[in-house]
Amino acid sequence: AQSVTQPDIHITVSEGASLELRCNYSYGATPYLFWYVQSPGQGLQLLLKYFSGDTLVQGIKGFEAEFKRSQSSFNLRKPSVHWSDAAEYFCAVGVNTGTASKLTFGTGTRLQVTL
Amino acid sequence: DGGITQSPKYLFRKEGQNVTLSCEQNLNHDAMYWYRQDPGQGLRLIYYSQIVNDFQKGDIAEGYSVSREKKESFPLTVTSAQKNPTAFYLCASSIRTAGNTIYFGEGSWLTVV
Repeated sequence: AQSVTQPDIHITVSEGASLELRCNYSYGATPYLFWYVQSPGQGLQLLLKYFSGDTLVQGIKGFEAEFKRSQSSFNLRKPSVHWSDAAEYFCAVGVNTGTASKLTFGTGTRLQVTL
Repeated sequence: DGGITQSPKYLFRKEGQNVTLSCEQNLNHDAMYWYRQDPGQGLRLIYYSQIVNDFQKGDIAEGYSVSREKKESFPLTVTSAQKNPTAFYLCASSIRTAGNTIYFGEGSWLTVV
């Protein structure tokens, strides 16, 4: 069975600093990988996804992620964090089952941004 | 606007009562999902449906039931058999292609009182 590990429960960065959120996955085949962001009490918004091809993926809000098969990682990065980026971030691995896609989520990383 | 609508946003239930959470989508998506979110545990899959009149159990289906009578609707019933129902429930949907993106609704808070 697939699994996702987000080793950092909580991260604090200063506004304008760079950010990297870690994600490691376990899956026997080529994974579909996703990063979602969630504001308190809200649904999840897709930041970016890796399906195939270029291992450096660009997303919305200036985020990017790099798929590294050798390290089973899909870390999320942003060169300069804005205060509005404070939220919870979830990494997920997707497995297709027929016409549906089952996502397995990590436990999330809560990002705090200091001014 | 296209999207996924969940209702109600907040719901209180007495122990022993069943409660149904509504999920409607106008994205013309074939697949729909229900996830449960608890603090520190991420999201866990309850049920999913690939087509009308068909659904499968996810990882934590015990104490829940669903139906899929229409393509756009996928209601979730939290039964009295669910021992710890207080949680945030998220409905989602996707199209039928490999690597498809799952889109989420805004969620429903259920509190057992």
